Amino acid sequence: EMQLVESGGGLVKPGESLRVSCAAYGFTFRAYTMNWVRRAPGKGLEWVSSINSDSKYVFYTDSVKGRFTISRDNTKNSLFLQMNSLRAEDTALYYCARADSNVIYALDVWGQGTTVTVSS
Amino acid sequence: EFVLTQSPGTLSLSPGERATLSCRASQSVSSSSLAWYQQRPGQAPRLLIYGASSRATGIPDRFSGSGSGTDFTLTISRLEPEDFAVYYCQQYGSSPRYSFGQGTKLEIK
Repeated sequence: EMQLVESGGGLVKPGESLRVSCAAYGFTFRAYTMNWVRRAPGKGLEWVSSINSDSKYVFYTDSVKGRFTISRDNTKNSLFLQMNSLRAEDTALYYCARADSNVIYALDVWGQGTTVTVSS
Repeated sequence: EFVLTQSPGTLSLSPGERATLSCRASQSVSSSSLAWYQQRPGQAPRLLIYGASSRATGIPDRFSGSGSGTDFTLTISRLEPEDFAVYYCQQYGSSPRYSFGQGTKLEIK
């Protein structure tokens, strides 16, 4: 069964850092573009970042550029999001999601999410 | 700035009725780049439709997608109790890589 499991969320103060992780199971992780998507309390889904299969191409939404870094370790089937200089508006449930070229890069496998809370 | 606008914000219907959800893009997009997701409370989003009109694996045929250019529609032909959820349209592009609409909440009347 294909599965994504996020971890590493928590409560941090504004300006602090946090690294969240996503472990992949049941599919050939190294073959897929991976993404982070978040949902802030009471808000809708917001795409955060993407990384292609060999880490050559990375993309970020404007609000996190220069603060967040996406990375992956294909030997460990893992995706990461390093979040620095965190702000209250980064508080959200963070999902990792797979993009599949077979469904025209729609996000076809999602984890259950890890919660990041930024508060003093 | 590219924006997807969904309407209505909330749709109140009864089981067995037909639901029509709209997604409008601020500029014309390729139909192949438009997808729809369902998110039930406490669950991760689930891909329903990709390429504007293709159902994802395991999605019942009561769900259908249509549209082109700037106007896209998700139709649920006969609502089941499990269909009451929040629905998002999403576009895959170059910058930003993905854009989501703000969501339509489908609630039981």
